[in-house]
Amino acid sequence: EAGVAQSPRYKIIEKRQSVAFWCNPISGHATLYWYQQILGQGPKLLIQFQNNGVVDDSQLPKDRFSAERLKGVDSTLKIQPAKLEDSAVYLCASSLDRGGTEAFFGQGTRLTVV
Amino acid sequence: AQSVTQPDIHITVSEGASLELRCNYSYGATPYLFWYVQSPGQGLQLLLKYFSGDTLVQGIKGFEAEFKRSQSSFNLRKPSVHWSDAAEYFCAVVFTGGGNKLTFGTGTQLKVEL
Repeated sequence: EAGVAQSPRYKIIEKRQSVAFWCNPISGHATLYWYQQILGQGPKLLIQFQNNGVVDDSQLPKDRFSAERLKGVDSTLKIQPAKLEDSAVYLCASSLDRGGTEAFFGQGTRLTVV
Repeated sequence: AQSVTQPDIHITVSEGASLELRCNYSYGATPYLFWYVQSPGQGLQLLLKYFSGDTLVQGIKGFEAEFKRSQSSFNLRKPSVHWSDAAEYFCAVVFTGGGNKLTFGTGTQLKVEL
């Protein structure tokens, strides 16, 4: 079974530039999560999708971050414009449903904003 | 307020010694409980999970965890640590009700001395 795929693995941008991350979840998984993990901290949930609908985006900085999940499968997370404090690893995860079943994580995208 | 706490930021043990990593939560009911491990540059891998039933849970790589309702704890244990266990360990919780989002603790960095 293929795992959660994310790209790119690494990205370096200047502040005020824009960036996008892509995630392909495990086939058949209805729930998709985007987490932000700042160095030395635990992952923080940015947004949770159930199929192509948003379940929770309470911690997403909506003035600069946006996310979509097309046709309930792939998802993209965008930052525009980026700030220095956005430097982090962005993790995508998926699970069969949102009833507390196991979430499978991708390897993440390490973003450095300079 | 709902929260999950990992009191130990860093722990160092000798190879072959036993290990216990602490996790406490604050919630009015029993949440779903998870332990994940993250090796450098890698995504998060599930070690074990507790939903209900037997309070002693066995996981992969020789890990186990015990749910103690009276202490609101879900501590991770291993009888004999191997050098390859050096990694960061995250306790995670799904507070059932209100979106079922997966919330992570701040993590415990494990160092294994040879």
